[in-house]
Amino acid sequence: GQNIDQPTEMTATEGAIVQINCTYQTSGFNGLFWYQQHAGEAPTFLSYNVLDGLEEKGRFSSFLSRSKGYSYLLLKELQMKDSASYLCAALDSNYQLIWGAGTKLIIKP
Amino acid sequence: IAGITQAPTSQILAAGRRMTLRCTQDMRHNAMYWYRQDLGLGLRLIHYSNTAGTTGKGEVPDGYSVSRANTDDFPLTLASAVPSQTSVYFCASSRLAGERNEQFFGPGTRLTVL
Repeated sequence: GQNIDQPTEMTATEGAIVQINCTYQTSGFNGLFWYQQHAGEAPTFLSYNVLDGLEEKGRFSSFLSRSKGYSYLLLKELQMKDSASYLCAALDSNYQLIWGAGTKLIIKP
Repeated sequence: IAGITQAPTSQILAAGRRMTLRCTQDMRHNAMYWYRQDLGLGLRLIHYSNTAGTTGKGEVPDGYSVSRANTDDFPLTLASAVPSQTSVYFCASSRLAGERNEQFFGPGTRLTVL
């Protein structure tokens, strides 16, 4: 079957760095997305990786290893507004997104 | 209109009633999607449409139907609501279906079926 695993919850301190991991098993693979979702709001796009390696976009970076079925989202210089859920989603062979349950990130002052 | 709108924002519905959730986008995106989001579970695809005039079944299509008469609108209908359909429903769209095409989400409809 198809499966996405990510931690349920993480806690970090304002100004610090946090890494949110995601492992995936899908029938075929056409890329990995990360979305941010604040409580009570819609998900918003953060990043997309299809090739191995690190993609940097400001304070956020996303990494992909296709051979390991693994990705992570790295958030630097954490701010209180980064408190949200982070959703990992893999695009399968039918170009359907398979979503993880999300990682709730709590930022403490 | 800017982006995707959904209506209603929230609804309480008696079991057995018929309900249509509305979704409209003004980005001229070809592909549209309906998801449900339940606590502790990932977003689950209900139905999708890769282009106007076509629809397909997602992971959890039972009890739901959709239509795509034009590019902008993608309504979701619950023919006879049941309590297990209590959820938050998100409509999304992407320029095309497939690789590299990020999905844009509407604000969601919170549905409670009693």
